[in-house]
Amino acid sequence: EAQVTQNPRYLITVTGKKLTVTCSQNMNHEYMSWYRQDPGLGLRQIYYSMNVEATDKGDVPEGYKVSRKEKRNFPLILESPSPNQTSLYFCASSGGRGLTDTQYFGPGTRLTVL
Amino acid sequence: SQQGEEDPQALSIQEGENATMNCSYKTSINNLQWYRQNSGRGLVHLILIRSNEREKHSGRLRVTLDTSKKSSSLLITASRAADTASYFCATGQRVYNQGGKLIFGQGTELSVKP
Repeated sequence: EAQVTQNPRYLITVTGKKLTVTCSQNMNHEYMSWYRQDPGLGLRQIYYSMNVEATDKGDVPEGYKVSRKEKRNFPLILESPSPNQTSLYFCASSGGRGLTDTQYFGPGTRLTVL
Repeated sequence: SQQGEEDPQALSIQEGENATMNCSYKTSINNLQWYRQNSGRGLVHLILIRSNEREKHSGRLRVTLDTSKKSSSLLITASRAADTASYFCATGQRVYNQGGKLIFGQGTELSVKP
């Protein structure tokens, strides 16, 4: 089944404790993105990747890192999480014409930083 | 800059009625997409309409695009309780030297009562 998977689905952590949210897609898509969703603010892009070893900042990259060492994986790293990073996070991938094409979303990771 | 602002923010209708949601945007676009999100879950792509298209159908969905007015509408005919969800429009923009960008609006919450 074609899908985007994320882990963990739920995470409660404390300020400053490094964490990684994994994202994997099995559709051989070149393009991958991370978004955060907050009430009243909609979805905002954090980082995106056009291919292996090619990543770039989205609209709200501060406090996040990503890597793209393999085509299928695009982990999101919070080196020192803070409470303002409490949010619902989505990974997405797209193929075909790139980042403006249809995006396939993972199920989401609900992160709470205390 | 915020693109894809939906109207209304919330809509409540009876089963069997039609639901219409509108989306306005500010700059030129490559395409416009509509996504659906059930509470707290990942977004699911519904339909994509390119900038040179005016209308598109998919099952009970009808999307129109008016590039002169920078607006789009999503019509769901003969709504069902299972259509209850949030609906987002997203505008696809080509960005120089990047793969492009998909910018989401804040969504319309649709409630369909049995």
